[in-house]
Amino acid sequence: DTAVSQTPKYLVTQMGNDKSIKCEQNLGHDTMYWYKQDSKKFLKIMFSYNNKELIINETVPNRFSPKSPDKAHLNLHINSLELGDSAVYFCASSQGGAREKLFFGSGTQLSVL
Amino acid sequence: QQQVKQSPQSLIVQKGGISIINCAYENTAFDYFPWYQQFPGKGPALLIAIRPDVSEKKEGRFTISFNKSAKQFSLHIMDSQPGDSATYFCAANEYSGAGSYQLTFGKGTKLSVIP
Repeated sequence: DTAVSQTPKYLVTQMGNDKSIKCEQNLGHDTMYWYKQDSKKFLKIMFSYNNKELIINETVPNRFSPKSPDKAHLNLHINSLELGDSAVYFCASSQGGAREKLFFGSGTQLSVL
Repeated sequence: QQQVKQSPQSLIVQKGGISIINCAYENTAFDYFPWYQQFPGKGPALLIAIRPDVSEKKEGRFTISFNKSAKQFSLHIMDSQPGDSATYFCAANEYSGAGSYQLTFGKGTKLSVIP
């Protein structure tokens, strides 16, 4: 059983479209995250949720909106996709915050054409 | 503003050699320093971590050296193997309020171990 699973693995779409990435963790963790990894491999946190409550919201365009229906799920919805949104998006989870081990999903490669 | 500076950007090491990756930070509020390893097409995975009250931590072939006064820490991979070829990220953690901690990553080092 995959600990942190995200779908889809690849997402190719046109500029201006709206898309969602889903994430689920079966580890019983209380904190979930979205990270963005750009073409130079730089990893940057986007959002952090603790027990379904938004904790960290870095400088991310309003077009990105996370949704946490329950502790095990954290989805990312992106409106009006732009070329610069092309990146790999990683979902992660931890128990007790980032001071503990983060478990990452395998990533979603988003390509905006 | 890059809070965690990592070098080198890429590293080529002969099999059996020692790989050394360095990181430096400025923020004295950082209180936990993990290293993550990422293979192509996979998410990063925790390799080893250290708290600032110790100067060294060793797990198998992997060692973190930590210099609190210099605000530097490094990863040493002894007897490097081709299977160690991956991208390595140092990171630093700080309390961000409301019971939450935030992890800041370095820019990564792509390690290639050649036979």
